[in-house]
Amino acid sequence: QSVLTQPPSVSGAPGQIVTISCTGSSSNIGAGYVVHWYQQLPGTAPKLLIQGNINRPSGVPDRFFGSKSGTSASLAITGLQAEDEADYYCQSYDSSLNDVVFGGGTKLTVL
Amino acid sequence: QVQLVESGGGVVQPGRSLRLSCAASGFTFSRCGMHWVRQAPGKGLEWVTRISTDGSNKYYVDSVKGRFTISRDNSKNTLYLQMNSLRDEDTAVYYCAKEGIAVAHDAFDLWGQGTMVTVSS
Repeated sequence: QSVLTQPPSVSGAPGQIVTISCTGSSSNIGAGYVVHWYQQLPGTAPKLLIQGNINRPSGVPDRFFGSKSGTSASLAITGLQAEDEADYYCQSYDSSLNDVVFGGGTKLTVL
Repeated sequence: QVQLVESGGGVVQPGRSLRLSCAASGFTFSRCGMHWVRQAPGKGLEWVTRISTDGSNKYYVDSVKGRFTISRDNSKNTLYLQMNSLRDEDTAVYYCAKEGIAVAHDAFDLWGQGTMVTVSS
């Protein structure tokens, strides 16, 4: 059971918008710790997608948006493309565990 | 070229040891906190351990405390993970990851390609 909760799967048709939630608690996201998002394409290492809640690193398409509110964060992908099919993970820090924590991951399927 | 390259994975019997290495290049290794993250087959990412820039502070997930030791050699730009008393549940791809330096608890902005560790009799 992950400290950060994500839906196991989401899906959408090309061109649509999908959102992936990441629900934490008062000891991690709710405590103000930043949330980061990673994309993992099949058979590859994770890649940083969103850092510091909302910031896209250089090279990440502007179709990816991060947000945070209260004890939750979200990743939105607009204009869905076939190449977006991947696993997505949120990550933050937990002050009770004194550890880095990951969400359980969400598999995105492009229909 | 900015990269992290892991090595040292393999098949090992339960109870035995293994040492992983992660060679860094293309950035100032000594300025960056470094981490190991693992991924069991078909499962999600699990943070394992972190080491501070000078190696003085180390943190571990509970499941590896007392068995795994993280270390670094800044003169060789290399990160290590000594894994002792290995268990079946340690079977995973092990990634080294570089932490950004902009803010506290920054993102992992660079990952290695991973090295597979299989614990099996």
